[in-house]
Amino acid sequence: DGGITQSPKYLFRKEGQNVTLSCEQNLNHDAMYWYRQDPGQGLRLIYYSQIVNDFQKGDIAEGYSVSREKKESFPLTVTSAQKNPTAFYLCASSRLLNQPQHFGDGTRLSIL
Amino acid sequence: KQEVTQIPAALSVPEGENLVLNCSFTDSAIYNLQWFRQDPGKGLTSLLLIQSSQREQTSGRLNASLDKSSGRSTLYIAASQPGDSATYLCAVISNFGNEKLTFGTGTRLTIIP
Repeated sequence: DGGITQSPKYLFRKEGQNVTLSCEQNLNHDAMYWYRQDPGQGLRLIYYSQIVNDFQKGDIAEGYSVSREKKESFPLTVTSAQKNPTAFYLCASSRLLNQPQHFGDGTRLSIL
Repeated sequence: KQEVTQIPAALSVPEGENLVLNCSFTDSAIYNLQWFRQDPGKGLTSLLLIQSSQREQTSGRLNASLDKSSGRSTLYIAASQPGDSATYLCAVISNFGNEKLTFGTGTRLTIIP
C-alpha cells in the first residue's frame, strides 16, 4: 500500500545533541512538509519542499534543518539550537502544492 | 495572516446523536478547506476537502459545509458512534502563501456509549 512512513515512533534527545527524524513516502508526491504539534495548539509548519533539491522555511524553521535529495525522502534534523524540541512531529506529502496532504503517524520527541 | 478557530475545544455527546463541529477562519480568500481526524498519538486522516467554489461535501455519515463570506465551515456527523471519538481538525489553504495548511486547534470529540 502507498503511504508515508515516519521513524522512529519515539525519540529521545540529550542536551546539545542533534537528532534526525525520518520521513519516506511511496506515493510519488512532489511536495513534502514537516509540521510540529504542541498540546493546545494547531499544527505549525516547519519546512516544506515543492520538489527535489528545493525546500523553503515555514513559520517556525529556527533550530531545524532539512534536505530533499530524493523524491521519496524528506528528513528533518532537530538541532541543539532548538531549545524547546519536545513535541509531536508530523510529516505530510501532496502530489503538488495546494493538493490534499497525506500524513504519516508522527514521531514523538522528548528531552532526556 | 490567516487564523483558524475551532470551538468548542472538547465535546461529549451520547451515542446515536447527530452533532455539528464548527470552524471559523479570518481571511475568506481561501483555496480550499479540509477536515481531518486525529486519533491519540497518531497522524491525521483526511475526511473531507471542500474547494473554494463548493458549498459542501459528503462522505457517508459526514457532511462538511463551507460559507466563505462568513468565514465558516461546519462538519456534521450523523448518528454518532463510539468509534467517532477523536480530535477533529480543520485546516485551510489560503490563496496567498498557499504552500501550507493553516490549522485550527481542534475539537476533541467523545461519544458516550
